Amino acid sequence: DQQVKQNSPSLSVQEGRISILNCDYTNSMFDYFLWYKKYPAEGPTFLISISSIKDKNEDGRFTVFLNKSAKHLSLHIVPSQPGDSAVYFCAASTGAGANSKLTFGKGITLSVRP
Amino acid sequence: GAVVSQHPSRVICKSGTSVKIECRSLDFQATTMFWYRQFPKQSLMLMATSNEGSKATYEQGVEKDKFLINHASLTLSTLTVTSAHPEDSSFYICSARDRAGGDGTQYFGPGTRLLVL
Repeated sequence: DQQVKQNSPSLSVQEGRISILNCDYTNSMFDYFLWYKKYPAEGPTFLISISSIKDKNEDGRFTVFLNKSAKHLSLHIVPSQPGDSAVYFCAASTGAGANSKLTFGKGITLSVRP
Repeated sequence: GAVVSQHPSRVICKSGTSVKIECRSLDFQATTMFWYRQFPKQSLMLMATSNEGSKATYEQGVEKDKFLINHASLTLSTLTVTSAHPEDSSFYICSARDRAGGDGTQYFGPGTRLLVL
């Protein structure tokens, strides 16, 4: 059973517009969430994270929103740039201790059109 | 930022041979490293958690005698795929958590593409 779900496999947006990537989770014990960006044949690159005590975290063009009651989080990228085209993985963990494991979604392929 | 390297980036081997993949944290110490496997268009699947100075913890369904993990120092973990078979062909990625870091962020290596003929 998939505990982290990214139901949309792909998203295409125009350069300069907002990209909204969604993620749902089923495990109520998850309390730390991360977004990673991945290019083909490369390892994921950490983008932004949020703990369950917050509902929003912002870093430059990237903002992550967390709705705990809905078990839903989203990544907003604004303005979107062609270089943002990549696969974006949502990940979740229980706690942030040294051995806490990340559970990943399947990823969303974002294409930003020039 | 935290940098994790992997070597080799790509390897092709014959069926039945063993392949060793190295994962290094370059600018931080990592008490814990993680090994993942990714199939095309699929998620990253955690294989095992590697702890410095102790035995690795394997996820359910992962054969520990098949995938040997050694975490000999705070900056190096190795994954050895023993007696590799074509079904072991995959993209293997390691990650590490900064020992001094207070959050759960894992930093990933660039991955190793394994092709077993």
